[in-house]
Amino acid sequence: QAVVTQPSSLSASPGASASLTCTLHSDINVGAYRIYWYQQRPGSPPRFLLRYRSDSDMQQGSAVPSRFSGSKDASANAGILLISGLQSEDEADYYCMIWHSSAVVFGGGTKLTVL
Amino acid sequence: EVQLVESGGGLVQPGGSLRLSCAASGFSFSNYAMNWVRQAPGKGLEWVSSISGSGSTAYHADSVKGRFTISRDNSKNTLYVQMNSLRVEDTAEYYCAKGIDSGNYSPDYWGRGTLVTVSS
Repeated sequence: QAVVTQPSSLSASPGASASLTCTLHSDINVGAYRIYWYQQRPGSPPRFLLRYRSDSDMQQGSAVPSRFSGSKDASANAGILLISGLQSEDEADYYCMIWHSSAVVFGGGTKLTVL
Repeated sequence: EVQLVESGGGLVQPGGSLRLSCAASGFSFSNYAMNWVRQAPGKGLEWVSSISGSGSTAYHADSVKGRFTISRDNSKNTLYVQMNSLRVEDTAEYYCAKGIDSGNYSPDYWGRGTLVTVSS
């Protein structure tokens, strides 16, 4: 089982909301981690969106709209990226990341299709 | 404005060596950890290496340990990775990424990447 797992794909309609999950291995507790989220559009480098540990410990990336937000689902041991008011430009790959055991660990990424 | 510009990529034969560079500007380079992250064609992001702001501490992924060495020259605001014993599976776009906080390795700003192709 990978340290960080993401669903490979997700589809949603324009104007709707999309919830992207980042599930941590059962041996580690999501409550202890800052979850980082990145967006990568085709042909572009990754872009830092936000990091989230708790409502009192979160940071939005530079010029990232407020319709991108983070949260956690402790019962699922997962971090969540919520994108509200989906736009066509949100169609991209999304990666979560944690710092674990002296290493940067990425999830496999979720391809978000807006249709 | 933070800018990270990678260079040094190219075509190299299996078993060969290559050194990548990343020129940084727009922030106090020595105060931030730096990273190399790669992405094979059509694949996801894979962390390669991280180094502290002073250069005294470095970490490498198991997949490159013993073959790759990350370093930095704070007088030149430049990050490096020396890649030896290259394998076909090292073929990827290599990104340089700045740590988000002083002492925090997690990336925020990224360069546009440099392509490394390992092939005979």
